[in-house]
Amino acid sequence: KNEVEQSPQNLTAQEGEFITINCSYSVGISALHWLQQHPGGGIVSLFMLSSGKKKHGRLIATINIQEKHSSLHITASHPRDSAVYICAVRSKSNTGNQFYFGTGTSLTVIP
Amino acid sequence: GAVVSQHPSWVICKSGTSVKIECRSLDFQATTMFWYRQFPKQSLMLMATSNEGSKATYEQGVEKDKFLINHASLTLSTLTVTSAHPEDSSFYICSASIGLAAFRGEQYFGPGTRLTVT
Repeated sequence: KNEVEQSPQNLTAQEGEFITINCSYSVGISALHWLQQHPGGGIVSLFMLSSGKKKHGRLIATINIQEKHSSLHITASHPRDSAVYICAVRSKSNTGNQFYFGTGTSLTVIP
Repeated sequence: GAVVSQHPSWVICKSGTSVKIECRSLDFQATTMFWYRQFPKQSLMLMATSNEGSKATYEQGVEKDKFLINHASLTLSTLTVTSAHPEDSSFYICSASIGLAAFRGEQYFGPGTRLTVT
């Protein structure tokens, strides 16, 4: 069982739709990241959060520590949002850096 | 701010040769740098963590003699793939953190280097 599970694995949406990607994790964490990876491979860190909610433009990320769950929302989706979205967590450990990554959600937004 | 660059962005080498990949923090001093590997259609896997001026800590299953990591300055870390083989072909990504931010999970990702070994 993976420490980080994402759903859905693949998502196709029409331009303008509201999109939600979910992430569940099984370890205690100090931080959760949402990353965006474009087809060329480059990774952009979208959010780092440890509680509550963050918003940046059309992107919103929420986390519920008690339920060990986070969601990434995209409002008014656009074809340029097409990418793989990866959830990653940094576990609570003083003995080393334990990062766990989800397998990603591949999003395609159709014009 | 907090930009991380990698060089080269892609490299092709012959089996048996060594390849060096550089990771630079352009506008901040990175006390901790992380190296990841990503195989096609798979997620990232942490290979090693390096702190400036000390030896890198490798994750289980990563050969430290094959993947040499040097973090000689606060703005540069290098990963050298020694005696590369086709199975080492992968996308290598670095990220960097500042001071105690590393323990809070804050890190800034480089654009990645695609290595192809023929």
